[in-house]
Amino acid sequence: EPEVTQTPSHQVTQMGQEVILRCVPISNHLYFYWYRQILGQKVEFLVSFYNNEISEKSEIFDDQFSVERPDGSNFTLKIRSTKLEDSAMYFCASNTGTVSYEQYFGPGTRLTVT
Amino acid sequence: AQSVTQLGSHVSVSEGALVLLRCNYSSSVPPYLFWYVQYPNQGLQLLLKYTTGATLVKGINGFEAEFKKSETSFHLTKPSAHMSDAAEYFCAVSSFSGSARQLTFGSGTQLTVLP
Repeated sequence: EPEVTQTPSHQVTQMGQEVILRCVPISNHLYFYWYRQILGQKVEFLVSFYNNEISEKSEIFDDQFSVERPDGSNFTLKIRSTKLEDSAMYFCASNTGTVSYEQYFGPGTRLTVT
Repeated sequence: AQSVTQLGSHVSVSEGALVLLRCNYSSSVPPYLFWYVQYPNQGLQLLLKYTTGATLVKGINGFEAEFKKSETSFHLTKPSAHMSDAAEYFCAVSSFSGSARQLTFGSGTQLTVLP
């Protein structure tokens, strides 16, 4: 069964460094999403992406964040200058955009900022 | 705007007992509702969903949920708990926004199954 994949599974970085989190959505999906989950807290929406542009972003998704679909398969989340509070699990999701709008999630990347 | 409230951050049941995880939502438009399960160190797996039609929906692993519009609820149940059901469960509501539908999650309920 097709699945969303994410790399790396765990990323450790120093405060102020740039990180890029990578996702490969399911191949026939058209809508892509990033969510994050700070340890012990709820999963929060960051951004949705369709037709090579951002559809919507939350207030969390400030100028330090950007997303890109650099080719036909990858979907990336870049954090330009990481802060301690960016430490979280980041989930990528995708769906076809059909009526049910069911989203398929990847296993997540745990980002630790030191 | 939409929101989800999950009553009880931790629920413990005995193996074989009924599982009931509560979820109430708020949405200004007809909601799509989802339950996801998260096992330790894993991603989110869809258990079941309500979009339209039958208000009692069945999902994987013997779980089901009933959409009650009058109560704005979407509680998750399973008649008989298994040890393998121990995990964190998230209720989510979807609302149309632009050309995509973002999910708004509840805080989660950690289910413990006691032998």
